[in-house]
Amino acid sequence: AQSVSQHNHHVILSEAASLELGCNYSYGGTVNLFWYVQYPGQHLQLLLKYFSGDPLVKGIKGFEAEFIKSKFSFNLRKPSVQWSDTAEYFCAAASGYSSASKIIFGSGTRLSIRP
Amino acid sequence: DTGVSQDPRHKITKRGQNVTFRCDPISEHNRLYWYRQTLGQGPEFLTYFQNEAQLEKSRLLSDRFSAERPKGSFSTLEIQRTEQGDSAMYLCASSSYRGPEQFFGPGTRLTVL
Repeated sequence: AQSVSQHNHHVILSEAASLELGCNYSYGGTVNLFWYVQYPGQHLQLLLKYFSGDPLVKGIKGFEAEFIKSKFSFNLRKPSVQWSDTAEYFCAAASGYSSASKIIFGSGTRLSIRP
Repeated sequence: DTGVSQDPRHKITKRGQNVTFRCDPISEHNRLYWYRQTLGQGPEFLTYFQNEAQLEKSRLLSDRFSAERPKGSFSTLEIQRTEQGDSAMYLCASSSYRGPEQFFGPGTRLTVL
């Protein structure tokens, strides 16, 4: 069955600390991968995406993610977090065979940044 | 604002009542999706339209749920005989032929008393 797992439910960091949020997926065949972010009181926004090519993808606000096919992972990273990064982060996957496909979301990781 | 819009933003209803939500996608997007999100979980897929055709429905979408997109533009999601377990955030998203990334609206928060 298709699934996405996020192992950290709540992460607390101090400003300027480095961030890595884990994500593993279970998906047969070609897969498109996403990270979405939901800031407090706002709707889901696309942070970054991977379809093909360079496995290291860069997104908005200094975030990046690395697709490691052998590990079925797509971890999110940021070298130095800011208080404004406080949000809920969702890893997600969709079939890569179609440009129109349902997205399977992980359960989310709540990130709290101490000022 | 040219993003996905949803109406209403909040709905409180009594068990057994019918409710209808509306979603207006980004104007040039021909694909529209409905998801449901409960507290502490990621969004779960409900159904998907390409233009006016409903192409996929989740098993989560019981007989009490129906969705339409009659002219290939806005969509409605109706829940009949609401139950307390229907309380959730209902999210709408849209995408275009240019790529698979979906853009989400603010959601409609449903509370069933």
